[in-house]
Amino acid sequence: DTGVSQDPRHKITKRGQNVTFRCDPISEHNRLYWYRQTLGQGPEFLTYFQNEAQLEKSRLLSDRFSAERPKGSFSTLEIQRTEQGDSAMYLCASSFGGNYGYTFGSGTRLTVV
Amino acid sequence: GENVEQHPSTLSVQEGDSAVIKCTYSDSASNYFPWYKQELGKGPQLIIDIRSNVGEKKDQRIAVTLNKTAKHFSLHITETQPEDSAVYFCAARPNQGGKLIFGQGTELSVKP
Repeated sequence: DTGVSQDPRHKITKRGQNVTFRCDPISEHNRLYWYRQTLGQGPEFLTYFQNEAQLEKSRLLSDRFSAERPKGSFSTLEIQRTEQGDSAMYLCASSFGGNYGYTFGSGTRLTVV
Repeated sequence: GENVEQHPSTLSVQEGDSAVIKCTYSDSASNYFPWYKQELGKGPQLIIDIRSNVGEKKDQRIAVTLNKTAKHFSLHITETQPEDSAVYFCAARPNQGGKLIFGQGTELSVKP
């Protein structure tokens, strides 16, 4: 196992298009987290799963954002009708239960033009 | 609401000197405090963490201290090396097993 994998690494899309990102966590980790990071800022929480259950969503998360983890393994994050303000690095992380630190992936950098 | 403040935003030290980064948190129920190092183009990497039942933890050149009464915690790096140059983030977990709230980051530059 080589860690948390995110795909794609970079995505350029036109405003109004839909985009989907994928995250493959460390295989034995049951928790999976999505964060967003803009330049010069710390990661901002979006949502997290325990197995296939989505346990918490940020109140800042627009209804254009949806995340799934259908079989408790990989996860997808979809952004509908993208806006320029969605341009950011989208980070995925996983952990073994709630009492351990996260392992982050390298992120997907989204640019909306 | 939940908030983590981190200072300074930038820190420049000479190789071999020590570096200290400080964070304060707002939620007194926070029980877990990790520190992450982020290099350009990479995701954050966990370098050390501390739980609320411990006051200090050390791992080689890195140490973290926690003052629950004052609600602040600090990262100490001794004998800094150029490869320590990166952005460092503190974080706090406001409840058991949930999300992490991150500070704004400190860009550390170690000059040879």
